[in-house]
Amino acid sequence: QSVLTQPPSVSAAPGQRVSISCSGSSSNIGNHYVSWFQQLPGTAPKLIIYDNDRRPSGISDRFSGSKSATSATLGITGLQTGDEADYYCATWDSTLSAGVFGGGTRVTVL
Amino acid sequence: QVQLEESGPGLVKASGTLSLMCTVSGYPISNGYYWGWIRQPPGKGLEYIGTIYHTGSSYYNPALKTRLTMTVDTSTNQFSLKLSSVTAADTAVYYCARDYYDNSGYDEWGQGILVTVSS
Repeated sequence: QSVLTQPPSVSAAPGQRVSISCSGSSSNIGNHYVSWFQQLPGTAPKLIIYDNDRRPSGISDRFSGSKSATSATLGITGLQTGDEADYYCATWDSTLSAGVFGGGTRVTVL
Repeated sequence: QVQLEESGPGLVKASGTLSLMCTVSGYPISNGYYWGWIRQPPGKGLEYIGTIYHTGSSYYNPALKTRLTMTVDTSTNQFSLKLSSVTAADTAVYYCARDYYDNSGYDEWGQGILVTVSS
């Protein structure tokens, strides 16, 4: 199983908000920045949040990130059908001296 | 703009060596940043393979370390991956990416290449 723990799926109606959690430990999230990726079906992952809460240029402000202690959260507001995708958190792990990913969360728009 | 493209055999025999190349255009690898490999087995999540700096300094996934070799060639602006003694469990889409923001902040990705390990 993954070093970082995410819920397998979340869902909400269009226009609503969803939150995706990413739980880790002091060796990873607790001491390193967290990134979030969106992966649409059949495509490469796309960076949507870096350094816990910063958005790359061109990423909608409907996406937000936060971190507290050893957990991080991705929020998506004003949910759209185009947001249906898999979302992954990622960071560095000092004990492993390696990058780590969460298991991924599928977002479904009802 | 920065572009990355994976290349290599799409089919590898079990117990053989998987070899992939990532060609970077639009940005000299020698200018910095770590460059990484990430894979995704069919229907599953992302897995960190390793990252390498233009100096050759590298980090590997501990679970793959004994079978993995990564190299970088700044003269051709490419970096590569070799994974030995492959099994069906190594069947995956392999992506190369640039770790621009550190801590796994990969901002540019290749389109991915499916590598199937056959018995």
